[in-house]
Amino acid sequence: GENVEQHPSTLSVQEGDSAVIKCTYSDSASNYFPWYKQELGKRPQLIIDIRSNVGEKKDQRIAVTLNKTAKHFSLHITETQPEDSAVYFCAASPGFQKLVFGTGTRLLVSP
Amino acid sequence: GAGVSQSPRYKVAKRGQDVALRCDPISGHVSLFWYQQALGQGPEFLTYFQNEAQLDKSGLPSDRFFAERPEGSVSTLKIQRTQQEDSAVYLCASSPGTGASYEQYFGPGTRLTVT
Repeated sequence: GENVEQHPSTLSVQEGDSAVIKCTYSDSASNYFPWYKQELGKRPQLIIDIRSNVGEKKDQRIAVTLNKTAKHFSLHITETQPEDSAVYFCAASPGFQKLVFGTGTRLLVSP
Repeated sequence: GAGVSQSPRYKVAKRGQDVALRCDPISGHVSLFWYQQALGQGPEFLTYFQNEAQLDKSGLPSDRFFAERPEGSVSTLKIQRTQQEDSAVYLCASSPGTGASYEQYFGPGTRLTVT
C-alpha cells in the first residue's frame, strides 16, 4: 500500500521568511495530493491540492510542486505570518479515494 | 453553507463499554470517510462509503469497529467493548466524489477517551 514520508518534523522561521515542507510517496498509482493545515484542537483544513497531471499550482502565498518521476511533492509558503503557525500534513490518494497522510510538520513563525 | 458536523465532540467511556459516533456530511456529498487520529500523529484511514455502500473497510483495526451509512447521508461509527488503545480523535470527512471534485472536508472530530 501507499506510504508517505514528510520532512521536516518541525520548522521554525522568522516572519516574512519562506517555508518549504517536502513529502515523498511510494505508490505510483497515487494521483491526488492535498495539503492540510491543522491548528491545535481543530479540524484539518484543506489549503491546496494538486493532481498528477499538473506539475505546479499556486494560490496567493502558497504553492505546491509535484515531481511524479521522483515521487515527491512540496509545499512552499512565502512571506510567512504568525497565523501560518500550525501543523501541516501532506497526503496522497490512489484513485481519489482514501487519503494516506504524512506524519506532519509543526511550523512555527516567530514575529 | 454548513460544513461537516460530528457528535458528540467529546466522549469518555469506561473500558468495555460500547460507543457510537455520528457524522453529518455536507449535503449532497457522495463520499464519506472515517479516520482515526492519535495524539501527535496524522489521520489514519478507517473506512470509506460511496452513498450507502461501504467500499473500503481495510483500515478498521478490529472486528470491534463497525460503520454504517444506511441512507447514504448520516454515518455512524460504532466501537464495541472499547479498549484504552481506542483513545483518539475520530474524524469524519465528506467529498463530492463525482465529476472533477474530490476534495475531502473534515468535521471537528470526536475525542474519545477510554478509561
